[in-house]
Amino acid sequence: DAGVTQSPTHLIKTRGQQVTLRCSPISGHKSVSWYQQVLGQGPQFIFQYYEKEERGRGNFPDRFSARQFPNYSSELNVNALLLGDSALYLCASSLTLGAGANVLTFGAGSRLTVL
Amino acid sequence: GENVEQHPSTLSVQEGDSAVIKCTYSDSASNYFPWYKQELGKRPQLIIDIRSNVGEKKDQRIAVTLNKTAKHFSLHITETQPEDSAVYFCAASYNTGANSKLTFGKGITLSVRP
Repeated sequence: DAGVTQSPTHLIKTRGQQVTLRCSPISGHKSVSWYQQVLGQGPQFIFQYYEKEERGRGNFPDRFSARQFPNYSSELNVNALLLGDSALYLCASSLTLGAGANVLTFGAGSRLTVL
Repeated sequence: GENVEQHPSTLSVQEGDSAVIKCTYSDSASNYFPWYKQELGKRPQLIIDIRSNVGEKKDQRIAVTLNKTAKHFSLHITETQPEDSAVYFCAASYNTGANSKLTFGKGITLSVRP
């Protein structure tokens, strides 16, 4: 059974461009969360989606948006890229929003470099 | 909101010794505390977790203890091995049933000297 898969694994963009990152959760998992990990720091919460609805949003500007599809996969979009958006973007899936929901399984991440 | 702090930022131990990594949290409502291990260039992997209704949990060489009164929890690794070298992140979460975001600490780099 495949784990959490993310694409692309690496990408380079220039300031002002837009980027879309993709995530497929573990089969049977209905919740997807996105985290940003800047070099040398812990992951920082961006969004959580469950059953296609946004269930939580971190302290990120409106340039960040996401959505979840009927098959539970998810996309993270970042517009008007800034140098400070350079980071590893991690997707994590969990089974539900209930008692077991906190148990996150992370994907390998998408490494975004903004020049 | 929740704030999670880890101390120290780096820790070096001799192979076979024990390592203890401490975290503090600020929100007394937090009820779930996982520890993740991240090797260089790899994804964070859950190694152990504890819920607020439990004071201690063990899994082979690793254990986690929770002190809700003091709002701190610790990761204990016994008989350390070189493959334990990695960055360890603690996190805290309050599962409201509506969402379950994790707030992470900045991480501790553990080096195990052979």
